[in-house]
Parts: sequence; C-alpha cells; structure tokens
Amino acid sequence: GAVVSQHPSWVICKSGTSVKIECRSLDFQATTMFWYRQFPKQSLMLMATSNEGSKATYEQGVEKDKFLINHASLTLSTLTVTSAHPEDSSFYICSARGQGENSPLHFGNGTRLTVT
Amino acid sequence: AQKITQTQPGMFVQEKEAVTLDCTYDTSDPSYGLFWYKQPSSGEMIFLIYQGSYDQQNATEGRYSLNFQKARKSANLVISASQLGDSAMYFCAMRELIRTGANSKLTFGKGITLSVRP
Repeated sequence: GAVVSQHPSWVICKSGTSVKIECRSLDFQATTMFWYRQFPKQSLMLMATSNEGSKATYEQGVEKDKFLINHASLTLSTLTVTSAHPEDSSFYICSARGQGENSPLHFGNGTRLTVT
Repeated sequence: AQKITQTQPGMFVQEKEAVTLDCTYDTSDPSYGLFWYKQPSSGEMIFLIYQGSYDQQNATEGRYSLNFQKARKSANLVISASQLGDSAMYFCAMRELIRTGANSKLTFGKGITLSVRP
C-alpha cells in the first residue's frame, strides 16, 4: 500500500528557532499533500493544502508566514514552523492522497513538536 | 454547522464482542466520500474503510463494516469480534467531491475513544 514517511517523529526546540518537518510519499507521486495539526485528545485540524509547484492554500486562521510550506517535487512537501513559540507545540501530521478520486488519505506517522 | 459529528465521548467493549461507533455528517454536496481512521496511542492514522455516497452496498473490510444510512446522513462503524489491539481513537471523515474539487480535503470529526476490555 501507499506509504508516507514523515520526519522527524519528534523534535524539541527553543523559542524563536525554526523547525522543518518533511513529508515524503515513498511509492507514489502526490501532487497534493495536506498538513494537519492535532492537540491532545482532539481532532485533526487542516492547516493547509500543499500543491506541487504552486503556493500552498492555507485554511482560515493559519498564518502562512509562520507555517511555511514548500512542495518542490511530487514526492516531498515540507512544513517549516518559523520563530516557534510554546503555543506552537503540537502534533503535526501530513498526508497525501493516492491516485483515484475515491482513494483515502495516507498519513505520515506525525511529528510531535515541543517548543521550550 | 459541524460537518462531521461524533458525540460518543468514550466507548468500552468486552473483547470478542461487537461495537458500533456513531458518525453523522452534514453536506449538500451530492457526491461525497466517508472514511474511518484509527489512531492508536502512537499517533499514526490508519485508514480502515471507505463508503462512497453513490455506493449501493455497505462497505466491509474484514472485521470492519460501515452501516451507511444515506437518508439519515449517518455512517456508523461496526467492529466485530473486538480485539485488545482495537483500543484507539477512531475518526470519521468526509470528503466533499464537488465542493472541494481537485483538492478534495478531508474534514474530520472529533473522534471517539474505544477501550477494549479483556
């Protein structure tokens, strides 16, 4: 089945620094990838839709200058949390849709970010 | 209005018994897809089952089946013969195919915690 690899699985950083999270589709090409954020015991909230070769589409309330998304190839999308603050601490999870209109989203294993 | 509603706060089931996890949805899109995902404590999202709005039959995948009642806009997940490894959070999600078009993003419910007792 389709595999999505996300790296790193966890990261601790200091306030004010930036953190990059990578999301790779390993055995399929993904023109569209999605970035979600999840707080403990809560649902996944879509942050942005990443399109290969074009600008990402951000959901309302998500700061595009803070959460930089780059989708430079058909197998790689990155999310950079810039000037991180403790309130950015969360579980970030990427996903990519397989081929076909009815295909499910395949998720990476997520990245747990802790900002101290 | 919420697109996906999962109101059960937490569910308990005895091992080897069946359990139903509720999901109702709201959409005016005539073409949509419904998904269930499992999220164990490790955090990964595992796809379980899919139901298309035009599918005539209820979807089944092994021990998972989806009780799709289109008129009531419900898509309940039934897990038969529960196993200890089924303990996890379960999310219902919907993709509106016409409204969201090419991006076809998924909207998730709040999730339900299922605990299987030995």
